[in-house]
Formats: sequence, C-alpha cells, structure tokens
Amino acid sequence: QKEVEQDPGPLSVPEGAIVSLNCTYSNSAFQYFMWYRQYSRKGPELLMYTYSSGNKEDGRFTAQVDKSSKYISLFIRDSQPSDSATYLCAITPSGTYKYIFGTGTRLKVLA
Amino acid sequence: GAVVSQHPSWVICKSGTSVKIECRSLDFQATTMFWYRQFPKQSLMLMATSNEGSKATYEQGVEKDKFLINHASLTLSTLTVTSAHPEDSSFYICSARDLPSGSSGYEQYFGPGTRLTVT
Repeated sequence: QKEVEQDPGPLSVPEGAIVSLNCTYSNSAFQYFMWYRQYSRKGPELLMYTYSSGNKEDGRFTAQVDKSSKYISLFIRDSQPSDSATYLCAITPSGTYKYIFGTGTRLKVLA
Repeated sequence: GAVVSQHPSWVICKSGTSVKIECRSLDFQATTMFWYRQFPKQSLMLMATSNEGSKATYEQGVEKDKFLINHASLTLSTLTVTSAHPEDSSFYICSARDLPSGSSGYEQYFGPGTRLTVT
C-alpha cells in the first residue's frame, strides 16, 4: 500500500462546477498537508497547507482534513478553464520536513 | 514573495558529459533545499535534501556520486549530473524551505524546473 494515494484522473468538469480532489494516507503520524497545482512543464505552485482537522478556506479553494479517516480534500468552487492542471497533495511525516507526494490528479475544466 | 528560480530551464547534453543545474531562492533565505525528479505524467520523486554548509542526504537508490549536490549559501544550491546517460533525461525540480518566520516552516516553494535531455 502506498503511503499516499491519489486518483490520477483525468477529471473533466464543465466551467463553473465545484471540483473535489482527494487523497488518502496510511500513517496517522503524518502531520502537515499541502496542496500544489502544477501546470504542464512547470514547477508546482503551493495552493494551501494545513495541519489540523477541519476546513481552511482561501478564495475559491477549501482544504479539508479528516485525520480520523486519514483523508484530505481540496475543493475548487466556480472552476475556470485556467484551473486545468495537475493537483498534487503532499504530506509530511512527523519529525521531518520531507514531502511524500500523491501521484497527482489531472483536472480539465471545459469552457 | 517566496520565489525560487532555476537555471537553465532546458539543457541538451551528450552522453558522458556533466551538467550543472542551479537553484536560487530570490527573496528569502532557504535553510533547506530539496531536489526532485519527475518523469512524464508521474509525480515528483525526492532525490536528496541539502542544508546549507553540510553534505546532502540522498534518498535510497539515488547515486550520490552521480548526482552531486552543493548548498554553498542560504540562497543557492546546485545539482550536477555527472557522466550523464540517456536514462538521466528527466525534469529536475528544486524546492526551498523558508525559514519559519510567520509560516509553519513546512512549506516548500518550487522552482520552475529544468528539462534535461541526454543524447
């Protein structure tokens, strides 16, 4: 079992839709949870980070963490064609600054 | 803020030669920098972690004599691919961890990547 699981997609949605992206992880000691957006042939861009269970909102993005289920989500409201990218979750094990990345979900928002 | 640059963005080299890739944090001091490798349509694989002034820590399976990392200052790390072979062709991305000043200290900021092609 991989330490971090993420559906690779691709996920296609119409413009304006609410997008839900998810990751599950296996180790309850994981403590920080990040979401990155990566456009083709570019470096990942940090969208949000959180460390506690619950929701964190930033503009059209909401990050949700459920530590009891070892499940994290990123919601994108009012999705735009410019949101078309690969979304990567990254998780840090306790006691380290290293990331364990999910495989990434490719999202396509159709105009 | 938190901008990381990489140079070059794209390089082609012949088999057997060495290539150096630079990673710079432009507007912050990076105590730690990371080097990743990414194959097409795959996620990022951590190669090594480097701290300023000390030797890099390599992940299992990464040849330290082949991928030389130098972290000479708080704003510059270099990755040198020595005796490159076609199988080393990949997208190499660095990231830098900001000093914990108001942030969690866990965020990594990524450079734009360097595409290496070995012929």
